[in-house]
Amino acid sequence: DGGITQSPKYLFRKEGQNVTLSCEQNLNHDAMYWYRQDPGQGLRLIYYSQIVNDFQKGDIAEGYSVSREKKESFPLTVTSAQKNPTAFYLCASSGHSLSYNEQFFGPGTRLTVL
Amino acid sequence: GQNIDQPTEMTATEGAIVQINCTYQTSGFNGLFWYQQHAGEAPTFLSYNVLDGLEEKGRFSSFLSRSKGYSYLLLKELQMKDSASYLCAVEGNTGKLIFGQGTTLQVKP
Repeated sequence: DGGITQSPKYLFRKEGQNVTLSCEQNLNHDAMYWYRQDPGQGLRLIYYSQIVNDFQKGDIAEGYSVSREKKESFPLTVTSAQKNPTAFYLCASSGHSLSYNEQFFGPGTRLTVL
Repeated sequence: GQNIDQPTEMTATEGAIVQINCTYQTSGFNGLFWYQQHAGEAPTFLSYNVLDGLEEKGRFSSFLSRSKGYSYLLLKELQMKDSASYLCAVEGNTGKLIFGQGTTLQVKP
């Protein structure tokens, strides 16, 4: 079964700690994305990567970091510099097997910083 | 600037028809997506429009007018399971998706 996995589903951390959220896909997609979703708000782009070993900042990259060492993996680190890290984090990927750039989403990780 | 507007909340009755509107102003346009998202879950793809007109897919249809910067999602024969948030997203020149804040639809018996 092809898809995107994110783990864990729920994550609790103390303020001041860095935390890494995992995202793995076996869809053979080139592009991967990280979004943040806050209650009552749409998805905001944190970082994206269109190819291995390359990534770009999205609209709200401050306090976050990513790496893209493998095509299948795009982990997101929430650093202590992120002022309001508690949120629902969604990872997505897209390929170009279709005529349009549909993004497929993972199940999400809900991060709570105490 | 780039902006996508949707109503925040809507309520409809089981079996009825509901139309969720989306207006957008973006740098470039490469297509408009509608996603459905149940609470606490991942968004799932519903429809894609790049040309003007209506795209029908079962109980769901999506309409686009590029000249007006306007789209709507039409849900027919509403079911309780259609209670969810509906996200409008536009792909701009950069290939990134820009999302609206989502419309939370509550279907009542």
